[in-house]
Formats: sequence, C-alpha cells, structure tokens
Amino acid sequence: GDSVTQMEGPVTLSEEAFLTINCTYTATGYPSLFWYVQYPGEGLQLLLKATKADDKGSNKGFEATYRKETTSFHLEKGSVQVSDSAVYFCALSKTGRRALTFGSGTRLQVQP
Amino acid sequence: GAGVSQSPRYKVAKRGQDVALRCDPISGHVSLFWYQQALGQGPEFLTYFQNEAQLDKSGLPSDRFFAERPEGSVSTLKIQRTQQEDSAVYLCASSSAGGSYEQYFGPGTRLTVT
Repeated sequence: GDSVTQMEGPVTLSEEAFLTINCTYTATGYPSLFWYVQYPGEGLQLLLKATKADDKGSNKGFEATYRKETTSFHLEKGSVQVSDSAVYFCALSKTGRRALTFGSGTRLQVQP
Repeated sequence: GAGVSQSPRYKVAKRGQDVALRCDPISGHVSLFWYQQALGQGPEFLTYFQNEAQLDKSGLPSDRFFAERPEGSVSTLKIQRTQQEDSAVYLCASSSAGGSYEQYFGPGTRLTVT
C-alpha cells in the first residue's frame, strides 16, 4: 500500500540555520504531495503542496520539490526562526481517493 | 470565519463504554474526513463523507467504529465498547468541492480509555 517515510526527530537547530526535513514516499501512479505543520496547541495546517512531478510548492519561506525519480518531497527553508518550532508532517493523496496518507512527523525545535 | 470545531476536546472513558465524538465542518464544505492519531504518530485515515454519503470507510479498524453525517453537515464518530488501544487523538477535517484537495483540520478530540 501507499506509505510516507520521514526522517525521525527531533531536529534541533539554531535560529537562521538551514533546514532540511527528508520525506520519501511509496505509491503507485502519480500522487499529490503535501507538507502539513502542527504548531504547539494548534490543529494541522497545510504548509505547501505539489500535484505533479517537478512542481515546487512554497509558502512562508519553506519549499519542497516533487521528485518522481527519487520519490521524494524534501522540505527546506533557508533560515529558520524560533516561531518555526512545530511538528511537520509529509503526506500524499491519490487521484480519486481524497484520503491523506501521512508520515510519522518530524519535530523541529529552533533555539534562539 | 469559523474553522472546523470538534467536541469534546478531551474524553476519558472506562474500558467497555461507548463514546460519541462530534465534528462541525466549515460551513459549505461537502467533504468530511476522520483520522486517528496515536501518540507520536501521523494521522491515519478512518473514513470519508461527501455530503451525507459515506464513500470510503476502509480505515475503520473494527466494527466497533461507526460514523455518520445524516444531513451532510455535522458528523459523529461513535466507538462502541471502547478498548485501551482506542486511546488516541481523533481528528476531523473538511474540504470544499473541487480539486484543490486542501483539508482543513479541527483541533481534535483526545480520547483516553482507562
């Protein structure tokens, strides 16, 4: 079946450091890919998405590129802030099936 | 505007009790999803409604789990004869018609079965 694998956390960075959170997927066909973020005490929010190969999703300084050849959708940010501390979830959905398949999440802690 | 709301936010049940969890989606959203999130894990899909029709219930873990959305708006997830392994956060999400696939999540109900 479909699955998403994320790097384990927590990831601890200093403010202004470069961030990469790895995400790879297993799925037949051409899924849409997403990054969701969960800030402390809040619900899951969509951060960015990409619906076809080579698409780049971006939002709030975060970027991820849909790489079909490596089945990856790594999340990057050039300069993290303390306010980026949260749990990040990579997810996919298949055409015609609206349900999301999530990875296990990666906790990011940014220290001042 | 109001987002997705869920109630109760916390529920403690004794093993064997029945529980009912409520979800109020964003007004006008035709699609509604339920997910189960165990501690330290990502959410796992339970079931999906489009309006009042339950189109996918492949993720429901047993016949003790039942969901309904009789008028195509509010939804209730019912768990009968709760077991300790049912302890989790239950998330509801809604989305509008169309192909954006963006799901808006509620804050969740944390269920603890003792």
